Amino acid sequence: GAVVSQHPSRVICKSGTSVKIECRSLDFQATTMFWYRQFPKQSLMLMATSNEGSKATYEQGVEKDKFLINHASLTLSTLTVTSAHPEDSSFYICSAEKDWRQYFGPGTRLLVL
Amino acid sequence: RKEVEQDPGPFNVPEGATVAFNCTYSNSASQSFFWYRQDCRKEPKLLMSVYSSGNEDGRFTAQLNRASQYISLLIRDSKLSDSATYLCVVNPSYNQGGKLIFGQGTELSVKP
Repeated sequence: GAVVSQHPSRVICKSGTSVKIECRSLDFQATTMFWYRQFPKQSLMLMATSNEGSKATYEQGVEKDKFLINHASLTLSTLTVTSAHPEDSSFYICSAEKDWRQYFGPGTRLLVL
Repeated sequence: RKEVEQDPGPFNVPEGATVAFNCTYSNSASQSFFWYRQDCRKEPKLLMSVYSSGNEDGRFTAQLNRASQYISLLIRDSKLSDSATYLCVVNPSYNQGGKLIFGQGTELSVKP
């Protein structure tokens, strides 16, 4: 199998705080993981590509200093939303790549008040 | 122009109906194509890959027209459980793997 988990599944925080989301590949090692964001009624938008042991590659328009990505091991990537604001409220989904295919985590729903 | 475009729907169809979804992509160099299914408030799940010769998986048939940069998904004999959002997905790279570009999805509602 190829199972990917995310934690937390849901988080509510106050404006200005930082939130860390974990993405784990449970039964395989993933050199590459991806972070997506999905606003209501919109498509998944790739935020960044996370490579184990190196810096993440961010898509155009995504602030790397606001969305910190760490991929310190072959089974864990983290996304930290720093100084979150209400406009950061969204569904954040990670995926891990195995044999050229992406396996998606269940997503994290972030609500910033 | 969006890289991957779909009719957002919603498509409301009765059980047993045949329904077709269309998708166009802008990058002619794209090599891999997929249909994903996303249920409400869940992650997307791979429904099927799309091959140049067209391919079928049970009630689902996918077609690719590279010249027109057009992808389609046909669902026959719709079931209530087919209700979901269907995402057209393209890998714009020559390389296997790598980032995926998602369409905004077409919402399907199958009614009894």
